Amino acid sequence: SQQGEEDPQALSIQEGENATMNCSYKTSINNLQWYRQNSGRGLVHLILIRSNEREKHSGRLRVTLDTSKKSSSLLITASRAADTASYFCATDRVDYKLSFGAGTTVTVRA
Amino acid sequence: NAGVTQTPKFQVLKTGQSMTLQCAQDMNHEYMSWYRQDPGMGLRLIHYSVGAGITDQGEVPNGYNVSRSTTEDFPLRLLSAAPSQTSVYFCASGQNQETQYFGPGTRLLVL
Repeated sequence: SQQGEEDPQALSIQEGENATMNCSYKTSINNLQWYRQNSGRGLVHLILIRSNEREKHSGRLRVTLDTSKKSSSLLITASRAADTASYFCATDRVDYKLSFGAGTTVTVRA
Repeated sequence: NAGVTQTPKFQVLKTGQSMTLQCAQDMNHEYMSWYRQDPGMGLRLIHYSVGAGITDQGEVPNGYNVSRSTTEDFPLRLLSAAPSQTSVYFCASGQNQETQYFGPGTRLLVL
């Protein structure tokens, strides 16, 4: 079974608004990663947060991790049309497996 | 660097045929993996390798074989294709499980 589950499945926002998506997972992890996939393309790594970190920033991205709740959130601030994509969380498990969730599809309207 | 390359980009097979999906990386990465992506299912791990000569099963290994004779190459073999294996296949590599670099994908249709 898949380790991570993203919520919501789909999100539609206006350009300039913030987008927040969540990821829940089941087992112990070394780190949690977020990836972006543009339509028909491979995934691109966005950001990694380690199990001993609570928050991390990279440009317009903010990631939080709550290991007690086994959950993470990804916030994209001041969204742009180019942010339209699917976003996946991936959990780096202690058994060397990297497991992905089903993803959140984000549409940014002009 | 070419990064992660996958061939072919698109393939049509008949049920029962076998084929090999090729994956190569030129970044000297130890960790390589294969995923399949189906609508609404996200990516599911098929097989992975932590280095040359070492492979292990992921979440959905049945019907697929892999080998890792070199650091650069990680081919995925479909032994006897079934319609349920119609999917988009992605190969990825990284120095370890952190920061994976994905190939462009292979679209497979099994009739």
